[in-house]
Amino acid sequence: DIQLTQSPSSLSASVGDRVTITCRASQDIGNYLHWYQQKPGKAPKLLIYAAVTLHSGVPSRFSGGASGADFTLTISSLQPEDFATYYCQHSYSTPLTFGGGTKVDVK
Amino acid sequence: QVQLQESGPGLVKPSETLSLTCTVSGDSVTSGSFYWSWIRQPPGKGLECLGYSYSSGSTKYNPSLKSRVVISVDTSKNQFSLELTSVTAADTAVYFCARGDVFDGFDSWGQGILVTVSS
Repeated sequence: DIQLTQSPSSLSASVGDRVTITCRASQDIGNYLHWYQQKPGKAPKLLIYAAVTLHSGVPSRFSGGASGADFTLTISSLQPEDFATYYCQHSYSTPLTFGGGTKVDVK
Repeated sequence: QVQLQESGPGLVKPSETLSLTCTVSGDSVTSGSFYWSWIRQPPGKGLECLGYSYSSGSTKYNPSLKSRVVISVDTSKNQFSLELTSVTAADTAVYFCARGDVFDGFDSWGQGILVTVSS
């Protein structure tokens, strides 16, 4: 199975901060990497697909990056509605797996 | 805008079979190259994909479930379903149905249904 390791597992930030979350794959997965935002009691929402492509309706302050097996999700200026947990997920092969999540909370 | 809605019992006894249905509206389960998936999340924990099915009937399952899982698509009802046999307390989770694509991730999700395994 392909393992996805997210870091950090949690972080504290303030509104307006630039936030970067990393997801490292255990092997090459091309760009078959996607990012989701989940708020308590809600289903995850797709933010970024194919590592760098912004999903429809997602604010442009979210961006994705890729370098080899390392992927990043960046929020350029954190907004109050962005406090949530973020997950990466690969679709390179079965089983599809998710990273362990990164919780972004208020500093 | 496609919408997905999970339904089924919220309480299942140990050793029994968990059965859930996902009703799809706003699009057909036969459209595009999508697969139809079940993903679960134990309380306070991360996400686990149980597997997925294409409308053709082609399926892929997570080996960690050791042949306990079956996912099927009913094109006549525009639904897909999950059966998980021999459940234990470790199967207690919120179960989400989702539409996925190998290139685009899971772009549509149901709201989730909490299933508790307890006698």
